[in-house]
Amino acid sequence: AQSVTQLGSHVSVSEGALVLLRCNYSSSVPPYLFWYVQYPNQGLQLLLKYTSAATLVKGINGFEAEFKKSETSFHLTKPSAHMSDAAEYFCAVSGPGTYKYIFGTGTRLKVLA
Amino acid sequence: EAGVVQSPRYKIIEKKQPVAFWCNPISGHNTLYWYLQNLGQGPELLIRYENEEAVDDSQLPKDRFSAERLKGVDSTLKIQPAELGDSAVYLCASSSSGDEQFFGPGTRLTVL
Repeated sequence: AQSVTQLGSHVSVSEGALVLLRCNYSSSVPPYLFWYVQYPNQGLQLLLKYTSAATLVKGINGFEAEFKKSETSFHLTKPSAHMSDAAEYFCAVSGPGTYKYIFGTGTRLKVLA
Repeated sequence: EAGVVQSPRYKIIEKKQPVAFWCNPISGHNTLYWYLQNLGQGPELLIRYENEEAVDDSQLPKDRFSAERLKGVDSTLKIQPAELGDSAVYLCASSSSGDEQFFGPGTRLTVL
């Protein structure tokens, strides 16, 4: 069985500050891990994915995430927040070739001017 | 390249009425998914198609929900009759390799 826990349903950061969104997973098989972003009234857009290659994954818009097996974590970071980063972020887990994503409940990021 | 297309974007109906949502996946994507996203929650899979075959419909409430993917391209999700609790966003996604899904903008359903 697989599950995802996103700590913090709401996160606020100042513009230019570090963004850290937390994701912990549980998986009985080697996981594939994903971060998606959802802007208001839009679908989900892939930010980055981990599929068992490099543990530090770089994505679009300056985001990156590090797979830490010992901590069962896949936290999303960005060095400097921009106003346009305000959105909802979802972490998801799947197994290799399983096609089934299990999503977390999401974290809404607010960027303060 | 066009993304996943969904229509309508918004739908308001009264309870007990039928409703249908349409999805056209990215060209060449054999796998198509329908997800339900409740307010403040992550998407939950309703059904997955490989070409025209529904290979995972274990989470689809079959008493009122149905889906089809004729010819293995576009797909329709139907609810009949709709209930108040069906108010949510219905997302369609498609993939070709299985390790990345591309999502459409969703249909926001409001049942009054």
